[in-house]
Amino acid sequence: AQTVTQSQPEMSVQEAETVTLSCTYDTSESDYYLFWYKQPPSRQMILVIRQEAYKQQNATENRFSVNFQKAAKSFSLKISDSQLGDAAMYFCASTGANSKLTFGKGITLSVRP
Amino acid sequence: KAGVTQTPRYLIKTRGQQVTLSCSPISGHRSVSWYQQTPGQGLQFLFEYFSETQRNKGNFPGRFSGRQFSNSRSEMNVSTLELGDSALYLCASSTGLLTDTQYFGPGTRLTVL
Repeated sequence: AQTVTQSQPEMSVQEAETVTLSCTYDTSESDYYLFWYKQPPSRQMILVIRQEAYKQQNATENRFSVNFQKAAKSFSLKISDSQLGDAAMYFCASTGANSKLTFGKGITLSVRP
Repeated sequence: KAGVTQTPRYLIKTRGQQVTLSCSPISGHRSVSWYQQTPGQGLQFLFEYFSETQRNKGNFPGRFSGRQFSNSRSEMNVSTLELGDSALYLCASSTGLLTDTQYFGPGTRLTVL
């Protein structure tokens, strides 16, 4: 079984600043994948970034990057140069031997102009 | 390519009724997964269909069922609706490879009165 924990329910960042969203996970599987999804107020869930557990290199996608610490089972998302459009709920998720996504509770990110 | 579509977007039902939700995956995708999103429980996996067969199942009562057609479109049915079934129901599609990313539709907002 997999568990994903997002302990911060809310965060706020100033526009153009950098923010880091935390996530920890637990799994007994050796091969798994980690994701960050964004859900804006319109409710469409969008993939932000994904990380294969077997890869040591941290994934990056434009202004979004992750800090993947496999031994610590930590998977944080860094958003650089925050924009107003980044305001949303962010979910950390994992999959393992099957394709079922296990989600954290999510964190609401607000961006101050 | 067109994204994942879900119909209807909004539904209002009364207790005891049944409801059917529909999901059309991205063209070429053969896997459809269903998730329930509520403020209290967060995002929970219902089931996954791949090539017209249920491949994975979450911990939901038998009132929740689904099916998939030969064109990969999927339907989810909830019978004998309860107030607690009020939720946003999201479907996600992927190629079906366990390593593949899931892409979400906009969801169906179900309200049970």
